[in-house]
Amino acid sequence: EAQVTQNPRYLITVTGKKLTVTCSQNMNHEYMSWYRQDPGLGLRQIYYSMNVEVTDKGDVPEGYKVSRKEKRNFPLILESPSPNQTSLYFCASSLHRPTPGQGVTYEQYFGPGTRLTVT
Amino acid sequence: TQLLEQSPQFLSIQEGENLTVYCNSSSVFSSLQWYRQEPGEGPVLLVTVVTGGEVKKLKRLTFQFGDARKDSSLHITAAQPGDTGLYLCAGAGGSARQLTFGSGTQLTVLP
Repeated sequence: EAQVTQNPRYLITVTGKKLTVTCSQNMNHEYMSWYRQDPGLGLRQIYYSMNVEVTDKGDVPEGYKVSRKEKRNFPLILESPSPNQTSLYFCASSLHRPTPGQGVTYEQYFGPGTRLTVT
Repeated sequence: TQLLEQSPQFLSIQEGENLTVYCNSSSVFSSLQWYRQEPGEGPVLLVTVVTGGEVKKLKRLTFQFGDARKDSSLHITAAQPGDTGLYLCAGAGGSARQLTFGSGTQLTVLP
């Protein structure tokens, strides 16, 4: 079954304790991305990756790191979590769909989410 | 940063009614997508529109991309309780590498 998996699904931690949220996709997608979702703010992109070893900052990258050593995996790292990083996190992977005359569109498949609480 | 505003933020209607959700921006997007998200799950793609003025239909859902590619609408005909969920629009910039999401419309369809 084609899917994006995230682990853990729920995590409660304390300020300053490093953590990693894993993300894996089995669709051979080149593009992967991390978002956080907060009430009233919608989904905001943290980082994205166009391919292995290629990562770029999204709209809210501060306090996060990512790596893309393999095509299927895109872990999100919080070196020193703070309470303002309490949120619902989603990983997504995208199919590149060339559209004649329109360039490329990225139709994203999302994981089930990781609810993180930092106390 | 490109911004997308969705309206209304919340919508509660009776089964069988029609509704329209709007997604507006001052920026031009190369394409626009609509997603639906249910509690405890990630968003699921419903449709992608890429051409100004484009209209796409998905059963009782009709999606339209504005002529200037700055806005979009989602119209649901004869809503059903199964349509309940958070509807999100997302616009792609020129390079299409980044998606900007609207804040969402929470739709509740009452039986």
